[in-house]
Amino acid sequence: EAGVAQSPRYKIIEKRQSVAFWCNPISGHATLYWYQQILGQGPKLLIQFQNNGVVDDSQLPKDRFSAERLKGVDSTLKIQPAKLEDSAVYLCASSLYGTGLSTEAFFGQGTRLTVV
Amino acid sequence: GNSVTQMEGPVTLSEEAFLTINCTYTATGYPSLFWYVQYPGEGLQLLLKATKADDKGSNKGFEATYRKETTSFHLEKGSVQVSDSAVYFCALSGLTDSWGKLQFGAGTQVVVTP
Repeated sequence: EAGVAQSPRYKIIEKRQSVAFWCNPISGHATLYWYQQILGQGPKLLIQFQNNGVVDDSQLPKDRFSAERLKGVDSTLKIQPAKLEDSAVYLCASSLYGTGLSTEAFFGQGTRLTVV
Repeated sequence: GNSVTQMEGPVTLSEEAFLTINCTYTATGYPSLFWYVQYPGEGLQLLLKATKADDKGSNKGFEATYRKETTSFHLEKGSVQVSDSAVYFCALSGLTDSWGKLQFGAGTQVVVTP
């Protein structure tokens, strides 16, 4: 079974530039998550989709971050404009339903973003 | 709100030593509890989980018991190997979060030397 695919693996941009990350979840997984992992910290949820609808985006800085999940499959996360504090690993995960229903969340390898 | 606190690292051990990583949580009701592991250069992987009080999760020689009375989910392994060197994350998913977002601790780096 193919895992969660993310691209790119690494990205370096200057502050105030824009950047986009792509995620392809495991086939058939209805729930998709984007997490931000700052160095030395645990992942923090940015946004959660159920199919193509947003379930939770309470921690998403909406003035600069946006995300979409077209057709309930692939998802993109965009940052515009980027700030230095956005330097982090952005993790995409998917699960069949939701982990509260005792189903496992599978994580991609992440995209490491460096803002200079 | 929900939160997870785990012991700071790095934890440095010799091969075959006993490993304990402490994890305590704050949550409403009865959350599901997880340990995830992140090996160098790889993504997060589920190590084990427990969904109700007194459940014991186990995998690859690791164990953790869901203790409601102490709100804890400590990770243990009786004899570590160099290949266990990784960052370990304790996490919870609250039942009030219908679709199960994960709340992670800060992670504990474990270094096992030969």
